[in-house]
Amino acid sequence: GENVEQHPSTLSVQEGDSAVIKCTYSDSASNYFPWYKQELGKGPQLIIDIRSNVGEKKDQRIAVTLNKTAKHFSLHITETQPEDSAVYFCAASMGNDYKLSFGAGTTVTVRA
Amino acid sequence: NAGVMQNPRHLVRRRGQEARLRCSPMKGHSHVYWYRQLPEEGLKFMVYLQKENIIDESGMPKERFSAEFPKEGPSILRIQQVVRGDSAAYFCASSPLVGRTEAFFGQGTRLTVV
Repeated sequence: GENVEQHPSTLSVQEGDSAVIKCTYSDSASNYFPWYKQELGKGPQLIIDIRSNVGEKKDQRIAVTLNKTAKHFSLHITETQPEDSAVYFCAASMGNDYKLSFGAGTTVTVRA
Repeated sequence: NAGVMQNPRHLVRRRGQEARLRCSPMKGHSHVYWYRQLPEEGLKFMVYLQKENIIDESGMPKERFSAEFPKEGPSILRIQQVVRGDSAAYFCASSPLVGRTEAFFGQGTRLTVV
């Protein structure tokens, strides 16, 4: 099955700086890559996703890049704010979308 | 439109008891997915159900675990004879369609086996 690795496990940044989280996947058949934000005591919330026919996607302060050849994708958060503090998960799936394989998560702390 | 509702939010069971976790999907959603999150780990897919049908249960342990999504009422994840290793957060998600549509997650049920 698919194996998704995520780094780093924790990330502390100064407010206003950028945060970058990287994930690698093992199965070249994977073609859907969503990112989720999970706040304490809540369920994961989709913040951005990308499909394998696209190399980059941006939504305001959040961007995701995908390198299919290297089988890795990254989340970039610019101009970080305290409310960006949360656990972020990357995931991958092979076309059916529902069967997501998640990374272990990155705990992001934005220091004011 | 209320989101995905899971109850209870917290559940404590003694070893050997049964745990029943409920999930009411968003209105208009007929696809339900259950995931399990162990401490310090990402979510692991368990099962995908449509009304009255189990479509994919490849992530479900072979014994003690079962799931249903009846024609009326919530989806139920049932764990019989719980053991300490079952302690985890169980998340339900729902979507109106499968593929190319977002699945919305509930807030989860945190099961603690003592």
